[in-house]
Amino acid sequence: AQSVTQPDIHITVSEGASLELRCNYSYGATPYLFWYVQSPGQGLQLLLKYFSGDTLVQGIKGFEAEFKRSQSSFNLRKPSVHWSDAAEYFCAVGETMIKAAGNKLTFGGGTRVLVKP
Amino acid sequence: KAGVTQTPRYLIKTRGQQVTLSCSPISGHRSVSWYQQTPGQGLQFLFEYFSETQRNKGNFPGRFSGRQFSNSRSEMNVSTLELGDSALYLCASSPTQTGELFFGEGSRLTVL
Repeated sequence: AQSVTQPDIHITVSEGASLELRCNYSYGATPYLFWYVQSPGQGLQLLLKYFSGDTLVQGIKGFEAEFKRSQSSFNLRKPSVHWSDAAEYFCAVGETMIKAAGNKLTFGGGTRVLVKP
Repeated sequence: KAGVTQTPRYLIKTRGQQVTLSCSPISGHRSVSWYQQTPGQGLQFLFEYFSETQRNKGNFPGRFSGRQFSNSRSEMNVSTLELGDSALYLCASSPTQTGELFFGEGSRLTVL
């Protein structure tokens, strides 16, 4: 069965500093890869996705992520954090080996990001 | 375009009761998925419906069920509620089969 690990439960970063969130996955092939963000009391919003091709993907709100097959990782980065980036971030994988199961996502435990002024 | 709408947003039930949650997807989206979010277990996939058929199912007991109507609106039902069913239930719709989900704000269920 696939799994997703986000090693950092909490990260505190100063406004204007860079941010990197780690994500490692276990799956028998290259899965669909996603980062979602959840603000307090809200649902999840898709930040970016990787299906194939260029391993560096750009998303919304200035975020980017890099897929590294050799490390089974899909880390999220932002060069300069804004106070509005304080939220919980979830890495997720979607199945590619089972037909029509791409929307059955497995999520990591999440990383809560706090932004210091 | 209106987003995914979930009702009710908050509800309180007692053990043994049943609950029905509703989800209206984004217009044109035929896939509707449900996820349970708890502090202990995180986000877990419940099931996905596509064109009124359950296409995928997670590892939840039979007390959890759902359905989808011809207009793509979906409902999920939990019978014989247990304390551990207290959670945020998130509905997501999608125009594809590739994991690009659009989530509603969720229905927060408290079981007393």
